[in-house]
Amino acid sequence: GENVEQHPSTLSVQEGDSAVIKCTYSDSASNYFPWYKQELGKGPQLIIDIRSNVGEKKDQRIAVTLNKTAKHFSLHITETQPEDSAVYFCAASTLSSASKIIFGSGTRLSIRP
Amino acid sequence: DAGITQSPRHKVTETGTPVTLRCHQTENHRYMYWYRQDPGHGLRLIHYSYGVKDTDKGEVSDGYSVSRSKTEDFLLTLESATSSQTSVYFCASQGGNTEAFFGQGTRLTVV
Repeated sequence: GENVEQHPSTLSVQEGDSAVIKCTYSDSASNYFPWYKQELGKGPQLIIDIRSNVGEKKDQRIAVTLNKTAKHFSLHITETQPEDSAVYFCAASTLSSASKIIFGSGTRLSIRP
Repeated sequence: DAGITQSPRHKVTETGTPVTLRCHQTENHRYMYWYRQDPGHGLRLIHYSYGVKDTDKGEVSDGYSVSRSKTEDFLLTLESATSSQTSVYFCASQGGNTEAFFGQGTRLTVV
């Protein structure tokens, strides 16, 4: 089955700097890669996603890149702000009739003022 | 926010007792999931459903069972709770090729 590895587990960056979180997946059939942000005491919420027919996607300060050959994808947050502090999860899924979503172990991002 | 609610939000139970957690969604989503969240392990899939009465095991299904008799409800049952099942449980629902929406979580403590 699918296995998703995520690094680093914790990340601390200065406000205004960039943050990068990396994930790898094992199942070459996976074709949908969402990123979720979880704030304290809440459920995860989708912040950006990418499908396997696209190499990069950007939404304001957030971007995701996908390398299908190497089976890895990354989240990039630029100009970090205090409200970016949270736990971030990558995930992989195969959009099919029996789809399931497998998550990485999470990255706790802290933004230093 | 999508209409997905979990109940109860908090529960303390004794070892060996059965426990049922409920997930209810109002989005008519086909797919539903149960995850547990533990420090250092992220979100691990327990069971998932791809339609009424269609369910399958996830990564950590031992000790858990599920049922989906209606599109809107997905129940997770711990047949005989153990201390290792102390965790925060999240339910999620997803419709087709769209994002998955998560509930607020249930904090379960087995003493």
